[in-house]
Amino acid sequence: DTGVSQDPRHKITKRGQNVTFRCDPISEHNRLYWYRQTLGQGPEFLTYFQNEAQLEKSRLLSDRFSAERPKGSFSTLEIQRTEQGDSAMYLCASRSNIAGYTFGSGTRLTVV
Amino acid sequence: AQKVTQAQTEISVVEKEDVTLDCVYETRDTTYYLFWYKQPPSGELVFLIRRNSFDEQNEISGRYSWNFQKSTSSFNFTITASQVVDSAVYFCALSEDTGRRALTFGSGTRLQVQP
Repeated sequence: DTGVSQDPRHKITKRGQNVTFRCDPISEHNRLYWYRQTLGQGPEFLTYFQNEAQLEKSRLLSDRFSAERPKGSFSTLEIQRTEQGDSAMYLCASRSNIAGYTFGSGTRLTVV
Repeated sequence: AQKVTQAQTEISVVEKEDVTLDCVYETRDTTYYLFWYKQPPSGELVFLIRRNSFDEQNEISGRYSWNFQKSTSSFNFTITASQVVDSAVYFCALSEDTGRRALTFGSGTRLQVQP
């Protein structure tokens, strides 16, 4: 297993456009997390899944954000009507009941 | 609510110097976990250590050592004989002991090691 993969690595989009990011976790990890990291700050929790169920969403996740994890495998994070304030690094992480977190390399979003 | 404070925004040292990165945390939980992560310029978060709240033993791993003091709610990280490859942003983080275990991160300390 090659770890947690995120795609794309970089995304530049115009304000108002929709974007979707993908995360492929470690296959045996049942928990999957999304975090957002803005410049000069630590990552902030957005949401997490246990298998296919989305168990919690942070108040940071506005109505323009939606995340899915169909079949409990990969996950997607969609941002609708992007705003400049959405520019950040979006990090995905996975873990199992016994294993610690493994983070992906992130998707850097720039909204122009 | 949980909070992690890393008061040092940026530290610059010369190679071979020892450096300590400070971390202070707040939590109402009696059982919790503390972490340190390294984030090189590539962006990926690299796991360094996890400690649970019941284990206050200090830990040493090569040039790295960690000092956990529950009495002062601190979990400091020391790099001995720093090297240029240690240059990165270092994050301290805290999680509760539940199935959720979401991480609360500090704002990070940027370490620059000059040759």
